[in-house]
Amino acid sequence: EVLLLESGGGLVQPGGSLRLSCAASGFTFSDYAMNWVRQAPGKGLEWVAHISGSGTETKYADSVRGRFVIFGDRSTSTLFLQMNSLRGEDTATYYCAKRRRDGYNSDLEYWGQGTLVAVSS
Amino acid sequence: DIQLTQSPSFLSASVGDRVTITCRASQGISIFLAWYQQKPGKAPKVLIYSASALQSGVPSRFSGSGSGTEFTLTITNLQPEDFATYYCQQLRSYPLTFGGGTKVEIK
Repeated sequence: EVLLLESGGGLVQPGGSLRLSCAASGFTFSDYAMNWVRQAPGKGLEWVAHISGSGTETKYADSVRGRFVIFGDRSTSTLFLQMNSLRGEDTATYYCAKRRRDGYNSDLEYWGQGTLVAVSS
Repeated sequence: DIQLTQSPSFLSASVGDRVTITCRASQGISIFLAWYQQKPGKAPKVLIYSASALQSGVPSRFSGSGSGTEFTLTITNLQPEDFATYYCQQLRSYPLTFGGGTKVEIK
């Protein structure tokens, strides 16, 4: 059974940093691409970042490029999102998601339960 | 960036109804489109991928069609558990984008 368990969310001041974690199990972590998706309170879904199974390819939404870094630890099957220079508009529930395949064009087949990040002074 | 326009944004329907949601892409995306269902306080779950492939475990009353720029999600014989918000997502190119969502509520 595929399980994705996010952690690390919380309240942070504008300009601060936070690292989200997503513990993955039930599949070979390095065989699949992983993504982060966020959802601001009462709003729709926004794709945030992608990493290939090998970790060699990353992609970012324009809204976070240069501030967020996606990376993974294959030894612990854990996905991370390092978030720096946080802004109020980054307030959202952050979901990690496993892509159906490692290649391009595949959907987000499994999702974690989400972790809430609130950016406020 | 590829924009996805979902319509309608809100839909009121009754149990047993047939419901159709449309997703239009700003440029051709072949069949690289997925549909997700999200219930309040829960993570989204995939219903349809590659425009028309039914995700394992999803009831057959859900179906998807389309290619290029126009796609539809159809729910036949709407059930109480289908009242939720539905999103399309394009997987043709980065940045991946979602439609604005369609909230299906009970009439």
